[in-house]
Amino acid sequence: DGGITQSPKYLFRKEGQNVTLSCEQNLNHDAMYWYRQDPGQGLRLIYYSQIVNDFQKGDIAEGYSVSREKKESFPLTVTSAQKNPTAFYLCASRDRGRTEAFFGQGTRLTVV
Amino acid sequence: ILNVEQSPQSLHVQEGDSTNFTCSFPSSNFYALHWYRWETAKSPEALFVMTLNGDEKKKGRISATLNTKEGYSYLYIKGSQPEDSATYLCAPPRREARGNEKLTFGTGTRLTIIP
Repeated sequence: DGGITQSPKYLFRKEGQNVTLSCEQNLNHDAMYWYRQDPGQGLRLIYYSQIVNDFQKGDIAEGYSVSREKKESFPLTVTSAQKNPTAFYLCASRDRGRTEAFFGQGTRLTVV
Repeated sequence: ILNVEQSPQSLHVQEGDSTNFTCSFPSSNFYALHWYRWETAKSPEALFVMTLNGDEKKKGRISATLNTKEGYSYLYIKGSQPEDSATYLCAPPRREARGNEKLTFGTGTRLTIIP
């Protein structure tokens, strides 16, 4: 089955620790995206990547880092520099052009 | 319009009534607009991809129109049903340098259908 897999679904970390969220797709999509959702708010773009070994900062990139070493994979690291890391994180992918995005199931990160 | 704006933020509609809401977006360099439905405990799913000014798309009781010159799109739901309760998001992809395509979402309209 083609799709996007995010893992884990729930993640707990202590304050000050870096944590990496996984996102894998087998849809052969070029573009991948990371979003963050906070209660009562919409999806805010963290990072996006159109091709392997290249990625762009979104609207709220501070405190996050990404890599795109393979087309299928776009992991997001939430660093200790992120002041409010507790949130719901969604990964998406899409083909080039006027095509829709497909989303993973999300990871809920709680930092205590 | 510099950002993607959606209104209203939330809406309560009686079952059987029809409703509509708005997405406003920058009209410059437009090339597409997406509508998504996001149900609780699920992932967002695409409803429509719209590209042409005056476009009208329909999926069952849900339809959407597009005005690219003035930068807005309407989503209509006819005869609302409880399963229509969801957050509806719009997103205009933006082409950037080196072929990058940025996809930024509006804050969404949260629709609740009252049985």
